[in-house]
Amino acid sequence: QVQLVESGGGVVQPGRSLRLSCATSGFTFSNYGMHWVRQAPGKGLEWVALIWYDGSNENYADSVKGRFTISRDNSKNTVYLQMNRLRAEDTAVYYCSRGLHYYGGYVNDYWGRGTQVIVSS
Amino acid sequence: ELVLTQSPGTLSLSPGERATLSCRASQSVSSIYLAWYQQKPGQAPRLLIYGASTRATGIPDRFSGSESGTDFTLTISRLEPEDFAVYYCQQFGSSRQTFGQGTKLEV
Repeated sequence: QVQLVESGGGVVQPGRSLRLSCATSGFTFSNYGMHWVRQAPGKGLEWVALIWYDGSNENYADSVKGRFTISRDNSKNTVYLQMNRLRAEDTAVYYCSRGLHYYGGYVNDYWGRGTQVIVSS
Repeated sequence: ELVLTQSPGTLSLSPGERATLSCRASQSVSSIYLAWYQQKPGQAPRLLIYGASTRATGIPDRFSGSESGTDFTLTISRLEPEDFAVYYCQQFGSSRQTFGQGTKLEV
């Protein structure tokens, strides 16, 4: 069955960096886009980034562009989120989700359980 | 930037009743790129509907989606106890996805 498992979250000081990983199994990883979506405490969902199935294109939310980088390793079935210059407002649960290609878009059809990131001094 | 506005913010109903949740787009959105998700406390979101009306794998047929112009609707025909949760609409067609703010469906 499809599984996505995030790791790498934790407590970090403002201005520092953190790298999240999402290990996947149960499907052909290289056939799917991959997303990161976050949820601040008590708030709604905020899309963060998308990487295409072959890594040829990346898209970012304005709130993280220039600070976060999404990447993937199709040989390890893993997607990453490098987060630099972290801010208090980046505090959230970070979910990775599989992007099913659908008429040119990537809908988030399976989700991991998330990893908590807390940015605090 | 495209904004999705969901209404109502909270919907109070009982098991067995019909639920109607709305999502309005600030500009034109192709129904192909409209999805609905369910999220229960402490859990990840779950895809319910995409393409405005296509049910995702394993989603029961009491869930249905429809659209009329820039207005989209998620209908749950007869509420089961496990349906009480927060529901989000989403557009995924542009280079940046956006989510609505959510509707909480409570007993």
